[in-house]
Amino acid sequence: AQSVTQPDIHITVSEGASLELRCNYSYGATPYLFWYVQSPGQGLQLLLKYFSGDTLVQGIKGFEAEFKRSQSSFNLRKPSVHWSDAAEYFCAVGARRGSTLGRLYFGRGTQLTVWP
Amino acid sequence: KAGVTQTPRYLIKTRGQQVTLSCSPISGHRSVSWYQQTPGQGLQFLFEYFSETQRNKGNFPGRFSGRQFSNSRSEMNVSTLELGDSALYLCASSVVEETQYFGPGTRLLVL
Repeated sequence: AQSVTQPDIHITVSEGASLELRCNYSYGATPYLFWYVQSPGQGLQLLLKYFSGDTLVQGIKGFEAEFKRSQSSFNLRKPSVHWSDAAEYFCAVGARRGSTLGRLYFGRGTQLTVWP
Repeated sequence: KAGVTQTPRYLIKTRGQQVTLSCSPISGHRSVSWYQQTPGQGLQFLFEYFSETQRNKGNFPGRFSGRQFSNSRSEMNVSTLELGDSALYLCASSVVEETQYFGPGTRLLVL
């Protein structure tokens, strides 16, 4: 069965510090991989995605993520966090083909708090 | 391009009532997916429509239904509302099976 695990429910970092949010997935084949961010009371905004090719992908707001097939991981990173990055972050996987097309599987999210 | 729009943004209903939520996808997007987000269960997939056909359905009771129109706009309906249906309902649109772009959501409160 498909599943996404975000081991860290809550992370607190100081402004200017580096950030890594972890994501592991269980899937029958290499899926599409996404990171979304959600501010309170808002919808989900796409940060970045991996479909194929270079395993290090760049996204908006200075975020990047690395796909590691051997570890079934797609961790999100940012070298220097800004106070405006405080939000909830969701990792998601989607099928490339088959009966679950059009459906994303989400992790439970990681809440990021940024100290000034 | 305009993003995904959802109406209404907020809704208060009482138990036993029914509700209809609307979603207008990004122009040119033919796939619309719906998700329910609650603190306890997280983001759960409801269903997905493509070219007016439901292609995929999550594990929700039959009280939850949806449809898609020829212009790709979609509606979801919840009948006989229960307290546990209180949630943020998110709609997302995409070009075929690729990246899903989300709307701002409809916050439903059932009293």
